[in-house]
Amino acid sequence: QSVLTQPPSASGTPGQRVTISCSGSISNIRGNTVNWYQQIPGTAPRLLIYINNQRPSGVPDRFSGSKSGTSASLAISGLQSEDEADYFCASWDDNLDGWVFGGGTKLTVL
Amino acid sequence: QVQLVESGGGVVQPGRSLRLSCAASGFSFRDYAMHWVRQAPGKGLEWVALLWYDGSNKKYADSVKGRFTISRDNSKNTLYLQMNRLRADDRAVYYCARDGANWGFRGIDYWGHGTLVNVSS
Repeated sequence: QSVLTQPPSASGTPGQRVTISCSGSISNIRGNTVNWYQQIPGTAPRLLIYINNQRPSGVPDRFSGSKSGTSASLAISGLQSEDEADYFCASWDDNLDGWVFGGGTKLTVL
Repeated sequence: QVQLVESGGGVVQPGRSLRLSCAASGFSFRDYAMHWVRQAPGKGLEWVALLWYDGSNKKYADSVKGRFTISRDNSKNTLYLQMNRLRADDRAVYYCARDGANWGFRGIDYWGHGTLVNVSS
């Protein structure tokens, strides 16, 4: 059971907007920043969003992040087939004194 | 460009030890905190350990505390993970990863390609 809760799956058709949620608590998301990672099966994860809503260079602006209270969200607009991957949220947890990940959401582009 | 190359994975019997290495290049290694993260086959990501840029502070997941030790040699641009008393549930791909800051609270911004540790009798 992961400390951060994500839906196990999400789906959308090309061009659609999809949102993936990440639910935590006051010891992690509420008081700390959230990062999002994309992992294409068989490859290493890649940073998509850091400090809640910042995009590293090279990440398309179709990807956006937000945080409110003890939850965070990743939105992908203009869905493309290449977006089919697993997505993970992560945050520091003050009680555990370490980083925690969400269980991951498998995104399918129909 | 940032490169992180793990080595040292393989098959090991339960109860034995293994040491992973991660060779870093393309950035000033001594200025960044570093992490180890693992992923069991078909499962999600699990953070394992964090080491500050200067080696002064270490953090561990409860699942490995007392068995694993993270260390670094800034003169060799290398990160290590000493894994003792290995168990079947330690079987995973182990990723070396860089934090976006020197004290480990920014989170991971670059990942290596991983090395597989298979704990099996």
